Amino acid sequence: AQSVTQPDIHITVSEGASLELRCNYSYGATPYLFWYVQSPGQGLQLLLKYFSGDTLVQGIKGFEAEFKRSQSSFNLRKPSVHWSDAAEYFCAVGPDYKLSFGAGTTVTVRA
Amino acid sequence: DTAVSQTPKYLVTQMGNDKSIKCEQNLGHDTMYWYKQDSKKFLKIMFSYNNKELIINETVPNRFSPKSPDKAHLNLHINSLELGDSAVYFCASSQLKGTDLYEQYFGPGTRLTVT
Repeated sequence: AQSVTQPDIHITVSEGASLELRCNYSYGATPYLFWYVQSPGQGLQLLLKYFSGDTLVQGIKGFEAEFKRSQSSFNLRKPSVHWSDAAEYFCAVGPDYKLSFGAGTTVTVRA
Repeated sequence: DTAVSQTPKYLVTQMGNDKSIKCEQNLGHDTMYWYKQDSKKFLKIMFSYNNKELIINETVPNRFSPKSPDKAHLNLHINSLELGDSAVYFCASSQLKGTDLYEQYFGPGTRLTVT
């Protein structure tokens, strides 16, 4: 069975600073990996996805993520955070189209 | 234009009542989902329909019954509501075609509070 662990429950970052959110997955074969963002009171929005190929993937809103098979990780990064990036971030793993989501990381941005 | 919409946004009701949540998508997708997000923000799939046919049915109490009148709509009916049903329920949709299946578009959620 597939599963996702997001080790950081809450991260606080200053506006303009870089951000990295960790995601570790468990899956027996090559996984499909996703990052979603949930702004307060909103539904989830897909930030980026990895299916195969280049292990560094670019997403929307200036985010990128890197797939590292050796570490079973798919960490999300942004070089310079904006106040609007304050949200809940979820990593998810497929295939098996019942996506498995991590518990989420809350990002707080301080001025 | 709202891609995936849900009604109502908030639902407060008493234990034992029956309630429904409606979902509609205008993306032309053929697959829709219901997720439950608990108070710790853990997100878990409940059901999925493809072209009105149930394809995912997780271990959910049979008090929960999804219905899909057409591929653009997926409703969730809950009988005999319990305190533990309090959560945010998200509807989502995608296209059942290759990797498009995994690109799910979520609605804004329905916050259900059972008192």
